Amino acid sequence: AQKITQTQPGMFVQEKEAVTLDCTYDTSDQSYGLFWYKQPSSGEMIFLIYQGSYDEQNATEGRYSLNFQKARKSANLVISASQLGDSAMYFCAMREGNRTNAGKSTFGDGTTLTVKP
Amino acid sequence: EAQVTQNPRYLITVTGKKLTVTCSQNMNHEYMSWYRQDPGLGLRQIYYSMNVEVTDKGDVPEGYKVSRKEKRNFPLILESPSPNQTSLYFCASGWGNEQFFGPGTRLTVL
Repeated sequence: AQKITQTQPGMFVQEKEAVTLDCTYDTSDQSYGLFWYKQPSSGEMIFLIYQGSYDEQNATEGRYSLNFQKARKSANLVISASQLGDSAMYFCAMREGNRTNAGKSTFGDGTTLTVKP
Repeated sequence: EAQVTQNPRYLITVTGKKLTVTCSQNMNHEYMSWYRQDPGLGLRQIYYSMNVEVTDKGDVPEGYKVSRKEKRNFPLILESPSPNQTSLYFCASGWGNEQFFGPGTRLTVL
């Protein structure tokens, strides 16, 4: 069974600084995808970044990067140059399989990030 | 505009009255999924579909049904809703770097 663990219920960061949100996962599958999502207080879910289990390079999307350490089963999200608008709940998630054979998804409990001015 | 639409956005109903929450995407995605979000429990997957006529259970499928007769639509059916199905529901589609969520449906079962 898959499991996602986010050990930081809440995090604070000063505006313009970088912050790392932790995520560890557990799976026996060889093929899987790792995802991060943002949920602002308005409630919508926003996809941020994706890493495939066979991708050798860490994923980056603008100010977001995913620090993927396969042997340690960790997929930490790094947000550089934090902005006030980054204040939100962040979820790490994993999905079995790949694009042509996708399976079940599992989410972590989330980390609430607060950016201080 | 690429989007996932859900209807209704808000629904208050009574125990046992069958209801359907619709979900539609315009991006030709094969993978679609339903989640529920409850306070303190994060998102839990109800059902997912890898393609037309291919669906499978997520972690919390009890009390729900789905169907995938067309690629764009993935309705969630509650045949006999109960108060423990009061929740915020999200539909999502896509894979990899292309993923979209619907705006959510807030369901209250009295």
